[in-house]
Amino acid sequence: DGGITQSPKYLFRKEGQNVTLSCEQNLNHDAMYWYRQDPGQGLRLIYYSQIVNDFQKGDIAEGYSVSREKKESFPLTVTSAQKNPTAFYLCASSIIGGLGAYEQYFGPGTRLTVT
Amino acid sequence: GQQVMQIPQYQHVQEGEDFTTYCNSSTTLSNIQWYKQRPGGHPVFLIQLVKSGEVKKQKRLTFQFGEAKKNSSLHITATQTTDVGTYFCAGPAGNNRKLIWGLGTSLAVNP
Repeated sequence: DGGITQSPKYLFRKEGQNVTLSCEQNLNHDAMYWYRQDPGQGLRLIYYSQIVNDFQKGDIAEGYSVSREKKESFPLTVTSAQKNPTAFYLCASSIIGGLGAYEQYFGPGTRLTVT
Repeated sequence: GQQVMQIPQYQHVQEGEDFTTYCNSSTTLSNIQWYKQRPGGHPVFLIQLVKSGEVKKQKRLTFQFGEAKKNSSLHITATQTTDVGTYFCAGPAGNNRKLIWGLGTSLAVNP
């Protein structure tokens, strides 16, 4: 059963703690993405990666870090430096080809609450 | 920078009425994609348009890509309660490595 998994679905943390969100895909996609979504808002790109051991900052990378040690895994760490970490975090993946940005497949998301 | 704008931001309709959302890009796009996000869910890919003036249909949904490849629309005929959600359009950034997203149109359908 192919797809993208994110865990956990809900996550609660105290302010000042780093937290790592998991994202795994078995679609054999080269590209992976992390988005943040706030209530009633669109999708804002945090980081993306097109190949193992390489990634690029998106529009709101400050306070976040990622790694891409395996093709199927792209974990996101929300650090204590992120001012407003409470949000819905979505991971996505896509193929890469001649047409450029192909359709993205999303995981179910992780709702992070920091108090 | 490159922007994709969507209007309206919100739309309330009675079940059975039609609905249209519009997407406008500040630059010419190689393709445009549409996604639907149900309340509490994640975005799901609906369709991709590539050709100038292209029109595609999926049951009650009609997607159009403008002649200049800078605008697009999604039209739903005779809305149903299952159409509730937020509809996003997205187009490739200039470097083709990521998508630029519209802010979405949230559709509410009164039964």
